[in-house]
Amino acid sequence: EPEVTQTPSHQVTQMGQEVILRCVPISNHLYFYWYRQILGQKVEFLVSFYNNEISEKSEIFDDQFSVERPDGSNFTLKIRSTKLEDSAMYFCASSGIQGFGNSPLHFGNGTRLTVT
Amino acid sequence: RKEVEQDPGPFNVPEGATVAFNCTYSNSASQSFFWYRQDCRKEPKLLMSVYSSGNEDGRFTAQLNRASQYISLLIRDSKLSDSATYLCAVSSYTGTASKLTFGTGTRLQVTL
Repeated sequence: EPEVTQTPSHQVTQMGQEVILRCVPISNHLYFYWYRQILGQKVEFLVSFYNNEISEKSEIFDDQFSVERPDGSNFTLKIRSTKLEDSAMYFCASSGIQGFGNSPLHFGNGTRLTVT
Repeated sequence: RKEVEQDPGPFNVPEGATVAFNCTYSNSASQSFFWYRQDCRKEPKLLMSVYSSGNEDGRFTAQLNRASQYISLLIRDSKLSDSATYLCAVSSYTGTASKLTFGTGTRLQVTL
């Protein structure tokens, strides 16, 4: 079964540094997402991406965050200047169709970001 | 009111028990509904979609009540391996995109 893959599995960085989290969505999917989960809290929507542009973003997704699909396969999340509160598990997800229907989100196994 | 609300639990049940989880959502225009399972420090994995007519997959039964904006999940004959957090997820279309919103999850611990 096709999978969403994310790298690295764990990233440790110092406060103020830039990080790039990488994802390879399922190849024929068109809709891409980033979610995050702070330890002990719920899975929160960050941003959705379709047709090479952001479709929607949450309040969390401020100017420090950006997403890019630099080629036909990768989908990246960049945090420009990390803060301690950015420490979380970041999940990439993809979907084949708008509205999900019976084809809901497929999640990658996440990148654990630790900001020290 | 939270977009998607769940009782966080934990629910501690003996093996073989039947357990039910509930979820309510605030957006009456929500389109699709799902239950995901999340193991500790892992990604959410789809357990089942939820339909108005109700649907069953082995020991798992999901129900949707659109009028009450309520979703349920019933697990029969609980196994130790069912221990996990169960996330209710609701999709909505915002005019530009669809997104999936999760509840906080309900933790289930099945014991011997």
